[in-house]
Amino acid sequence: DTAVSQTPKYLVTQMGNDKSIKCEQNLGHDTMYWYKQDSKKFLKIMFSYNNKELIINETVPNRFSPKSPDKAHLNLHINSLELGDSAVYFCASSQPEGTQYFGPGTRLLVL
Amino acid sequence: AQSVTQLGSHVSVSEGALVLLRCNYSSSVPPYLFWYVQYPNQGLQLLLKYTSAATLVKGINGFEAEFKKSETSFHLTKPSAHMSDAAEYFCAVSRGSGTYKYIFGTGTRLKVLA
Repeated sequence: DTAVSQTPKYLVTQMGNDKSIKCEQNLGHDTMYWYKQDSKKFLKIMFSYNNKELIINETVPNRFSPKSPDKAHLNLHINSLELGDSAVYFCASSQPEGTQYFGPGTRLLVL
Repeated sequence: AQSVTQLGSHVSVSEGALVLLRCNYSSSVPPYLFWYVQYPNQGLQLLLKYTSAATLVKGINGFEAEFKKSETSFHLTKPSAHMSDAAEYFCAVSRGSGTYKYIFGTGTRLKVLA
């Protein structure tokens, strides 16, 4: 019955590798998001898709590429991982009026 | 531009005492305001939201918040703290319905002392 799910929950990898994080929502929402939470718990939006169309693209290195195959899925691919990419990445989706619902997070550690 | 300021990165209260977590916002348009809670190693859970209806908003787990336009505040309160309230709390602002971007505050960690 999970509303917003993410896989994997934990990801440990070496610098320079490429990795993907998947997100799925079963709430029927049109809009999905990726957030990054750093070690100080600061949350910053990275991307947002509405009906598979990119609507928010914050200042994020182009090593990060979101992909939305359909309204219920928003994946995040990261190329050439760097130490500074270590963080918790949250997926979210929202109702038309804007309330956002978050997934459990993916804890990425780059060694 | 919108912004959110949460005063106090750490707040400690005794079990049974009043919880008050402060949030001030800046917005050039009528805002929507939200409080989320994050328990350790978990995602964010919506506590309550203000969307231009009643200024006193009641949420889950006994929390409530009051929108005060004159003070540009949206402080979160709970009359009696419980040990299970220990968590990180985030205030967020958006420009309202149909807009998608949240601006989050830096969070307040609530500690509840036995």
